[in-house]
Amino acid sequence: DAGVTQSPTHLIKTRGQQVTLRCSPISGHKSVSWYQQVLGQGPQFIFQYYEKEERGRGNFPDRFSARQFPNYSSELNVNALLLGDSALYLCASSLTFNPGQGPEAFFGQGTRLTVV
Amino acid sequence: AQTVTQSQPEMSVQEAETVTLSCTYDTSESDYYLFWYKQPPSRQMILVIRQEAYKQQNATENRFSVNFQKAAKSFSLKISDSQLGDAAMYFCAYRSDDYGGSQGNLIFGKGTKLSVKP
Repeated sequence: DAGVTQSPTHLIKTRGQQVTLRCSPISGHKSVSWYQQVLGQGPQFIFQYYEKEERGRGNFPDRFSARQFPNYSSELNVNALLLGDSALYLCASSLTFNPGQGPEAFFGQGTRLTVV
Repeated sequence: AQTVTQSQPEMSVQEAETVTLSCTYDTSESDYYLFWYKQPPSRQMILVIRQEAYKQQNATENRFSVNFQKAAKSFSLKISDSQLGDAAMYFCAYRSDDYGGSQGNLIFGKGTKLSVKP
């Protein structure tokens, strides 16, 4: 079985541009979460989606948005890119939103975004 | 709000020896999950071990075991018979068992970089 897949693996954008990152969860997993990992830090929570609905949002500006599709894949969009948005963006999939039914999150390899 | 603290930015261990990585957390909740993730240079977060707060027995996965002290809010990872492939960043993470709010996310510490010397 395929794990969590993310695309692209690397991306270079210019300040002010917009970017879309993509994630496909593990087959059978219905919850997708997005995290931002700045160099030297632990991942920070951005969004969680379950059954196409936003179920949680971290402390990120409105420039960040996401959505989940009927096949449970997800996109993360970032508008008006800033230099500080340069980071590794990680996608994680979980079985459900209810941790009692499976609390583990499984991560993809991430998308390395560089803003110049 | 919950917080996770890893006080050891870097650790080093000799191959075949044992090393313990420390993690403390702060929460007012009684039900939660704790995890250790490994992040090698390939960047992918790999789940190492998980612990349910309601379980008194410490979790074990092959060479990896935890020392979970709920009252002290401590969750350390012990790696026995260290191997070169264990070299990586290790992150401690917390997840609430309350999914009624926006509690489905993981809260991570800043990580500990583990080096393994041959």
